[in-house]
Amino acid sequence: ELKVEQNPLFLSMQEGKNYTIYCNYSTTSDRLYWYRQDPGKSLESLFVLLSNGAVKQEGRLMASLDTKARLSTLHITAAVHDLSATYFCAVESGGGADGLTFGKGTHLIIQP
Amino acid sequence: EADIYQTPRYLVIGTGKKITLECSQTMGHDKMYWYQQDPGMELHLIHYSYGVNSTEKGDLSSESTVSRIRTEHFPLTLESARPSHTSQYLCASSELGGMGADTQYFGPGTRLTVL
Repeated sequence: ELKVEQNPLFLSMQEGKNYTIYCNYSTTSDRLYWYRQDPGKSLESLFVLLSNGAVKQEGRLMASLDTKARLSTLHITAAVHDLSATYFCAVESGGGADGLTFGKGTHLIIQP
Repeated sequence: EADIYQTPRYLVIGTGKKITLECSQTMGHDKMYWYQQDPGMELHLIHYSYGVNSTEKGDLSSESTVSRIRTEHFPLTLESARPSHTSQYLCASSELGGMGADTQYFGPGTRLTVL
């Protein structure tokens, strides 16, 4: 059974600081996804990581994937309040047709 | 921008009622999914479909049923709602196969409360 663990689950940080969210998964997977969810809203796709060593960046967010370690990171650089949200990583098992397994999410609060 | 719609957005209903949550997408995606999410928690896959006339149960056992008569439409039905069904239900879709990433696009969700 595929398990996806995120760390930390809750994070309160100040604007301007850097931080990293970690996502570990238990079995071999081809693809890893990062989503953002604002309170009461749906999920917004942030990144799709397809191969070992993949790195993607969008603004102050950068995601990376190490398939050998079964680890993905989401790094936040010089955080701003607008990045406050819940961030989920999700993993797709082989075959790709049977949905995603999500982590519990990291609830991120960025304070001025 | 993904075009996937869910209705109703909010529903409060009494125990024992039959309800159908609607999900439609205009992207021509073959794969569609239903996830259940309790407040502040992770999503759990309850149903998915590869295409017309295809339906499969997901990882989380659910008393709901789904149908896929048209590519763009993937409704979820609860025959007899109970308070334990209170949750948010998110519909998603993605393209089938291909070399690229099968990013799932999510609808706005239906927040269901069963009294």
